[in-house]
Amino acid sequence: ETGVTQSPTHLIKTRGQQVTLRCSSQSGHNTVSWYQQALGQGPQFIFQYYREEENGRGNFPPRFSGLQFPNYSSELNVNALELDDSALYLCASSPGTAGSSYNSPLHFGNGTRLTVT
Amino acid sequence: KNEVEQSPQNLTAQEGEFITINCSYSVGISALHWLQQHPGGGIVSLFMLSSGKKKHGRLIATINIQEKHSSLHITASHPRDSAVYICAVSSMDSNYQLIWGAGTKLIIKP
Repeated sequence: ETGVTQSPTHLIKTRGQQVTLRCSSQSGHNTVSWYQQALGQGPQFIFQYYREEENGRGNFPPRFSGLQFPNYSSELNVNALELDDSALYLCASSPGTAGSSYNSPLHFGNGTRLTVT
Repeated sequence: KNEVEQSPQNLTAQEGEFITINCSYSVGISALHWLQQHPGGGIVSLFMLSSGKKKHGRLIATINIQEKHSSLHITASHPRDSAVYICAVSSMDSNYQLIWGAGTKLIIKP
């Protein structure tokens, strides 16, 4: 039990629609990161939030955006969905400051499986 | 060449065998993580290392900073150990982004 909860577990959307994925972290985990994992591949870093501000971004277009809330929950929003957005979306939280967050043990949720048709 | 290389890519073994998965990296790191992912599931953090050796149950992780190499060992392997094992490093140049290995798919047959 990692204490990180993601919802929904599965989601089917059509191309062009918008989607919001949610992640609830453990209390005290100030840093949350989102990853996209396509089938058969390793996770790709989307972005990281620390204390409600974006603190690093991977190679993803602006239609991928996020929010982090004071209650340690966060959202990943994807606009204008494309077929290639079909993937498992993972969030990971950790305590500590953003700069050292990956020197803390990582706590992953079970992911949201998004299918775009 | 990838910055984090894992070997083997796939490993099938019999229950009870001693398992070793290797990870080599080419960047300066502040920490190395070993993670486990079951099919269709989320990722579980097994170890975070910056030096030496850590043990948790039947799992042992070692790291040699000078050689830029880490190993994950599983003693007395069991079918429930079947999963993908991933090595990821936090680069000194980019502390907020992990560099991931491609993973090792382990199958333990009863």
